[in-house]
Amino acid sequence: DAGITQSPRYKITETGRQVTLMCHQTWSHSYMFWYRQDLGHGLRLIYYSAAADITDKGEVPDGYVVSRSKTENFPLTLESATRSQTSVYFCASTPLPGLAGYEQYFGPGTRLTVT
Amino acid sequence: AQKVTQAQTEISVVEKEDVTLDCVYETRDTTYYLFWYKQPPSGELVFLIRRNSFDEQNEISGRYSWNFQKSTSSFNFTITASQVVDSAVYFCALSEANYGGATNKLIFGTGTLLAVQP
Repeated sequence: DAGITQSPRYKITETGRQVTLMCHQTWSHSYMFWYRQDLGHGLRLIYYSAAADITDKGEVPDGYVVSRSKTENFPLTLESATRSQTSVYFCASTPLPGLAGYEQYFGPGTRLTVT
Repeated sequence: AQKVTQAQTEISVVEKEDVTLDCVYETRDTTYYLFWYKQPPSGELVFLIRRNSFDEQNEISGRYSWNFQKSTSSFNFTITASQVVDSAVYFCALSEANYGGATNKLIFGTGTLLAVQP
């Protein structure tokens, strides 16, 4: 009963490098989300996905790319990492498509440092 | 635009004190959902409660209680007889209901750090 997992849990990378954060859920939830958490901002939505091959931008999508070829996976790629992307990244999923109000289940987070 | 405001950045109390965390929200929708999440020092996000806009009844769960007032657009969270284990960052969040295209996107407040001293 793994639920929702993220890898790696910690990552240090250099400015300009590409880095991919992985998110995997075992519940077959339709919706998946990526948030970043920064002091003073709470959590902000980067991208979300309603189903495989359906993705859309959130509040802060610039510099990020997502894909969702399989329902259970939702990787987040920083194409050319910048120091401003140093943050804690959370993946989340929710079970019921098309209905708001159901809580999101969050992964443990990935702490990314860009030097 | 939707917005959630948690004006209290940090609160420090002594164990057994009661403490209220404030949450004020803005939305144009008549149907929406409000949430509270807890983030303990270990970093994970723990769901505490969901409330829909049609249900203004207060809710109590053990030492936790929530007061939802549409008239003031507030969804405040009270911990009674606080304990050291309650020390965490607490987030209030808003999700709008958009039937026919609902996305469950959450708009988070900036969080309130609660420190409970023994």
